Amino acid sequence: SQTIHQWPATLVQPVGSPLSLECTVEGTSNPNLYWYRQAAGRGLQLLFYSVGIGQISSEVPQNLSASRPQDRQFILSSKKLLLSDSGFYLCAWSRARTEAFFGQGTRLTVV
Amino acid sequence: GESVGLHLPTLSVQEGDNSIINCAYSNSASDYFIWYKQESGKGPQFIIDIRSNMDKRQGQRVTVLLNKTVKHLSLQIAATQPGDSAVYFCAETGRGGGSNYKLTFGKGTLLTVNP
Repeated sequence: SQTIHQWPATLVQPVGSPLSLECTVEGTSNPNLYWYRQAAGRGLQLLFYSVGIGQISSEVPQNLSASRPQDRQFILSSKKLLLSDSGFYLCAWSRARTEAFFGQGTRLTVV
Repeated sequence: GESVGLHLPTLSVQEGDNSIINCAYSNSASDYFIWYKQESGKGPQFIIDIRSNMDKRQGQRVTVLLNKTVKHLSLQIAATQPGDSAVYFCAETGRGGGSNYKLTFGKGTLLTVNP
């Protein structure tokens, strides 16, 4: 069966510090991979999605970047965090035109 | 850009009643719709889906209705239980390049079930 792992679960970082959130998928190959951000009481904003190694599509211009160095690994990064980067970050995977499966999320607080 | 939105941000029902959560979408090219349930502090979980060639689909205690004419989607939960309390999102697939699709979410509806 397929599983998705996302870590860390919580993170507190100072403004201006770098960020690296990692997501890995097991039990499938060539998945579509997604990074979402969710502000408190709000919906899920699609940040990045990837259909293959090295292929990243950015949905919203921002202080973040994503990379896919391996087929089942998706990394969300920032060189310098802003206060506005705080939120709940979710990684997900899917097959084309099927439901997406989500990780448990990372709650990031930038202080 | 086009997005998926919801009519009501909150819904409160009595235990045992039926719940109806509504969703409006604007991308006429969307052909696959999904309902997710998200409990506090967790990632969304799949509930039920429907493709655009269908008007209705039923699952266990849940039914999704799709009205393509008015671009409206609804989730019906029968005999709502306290464990159904959560935020419910509708999502739609828009073309994301090639044969793959990105998934766009609405703002969510908070369902509260009163005992």
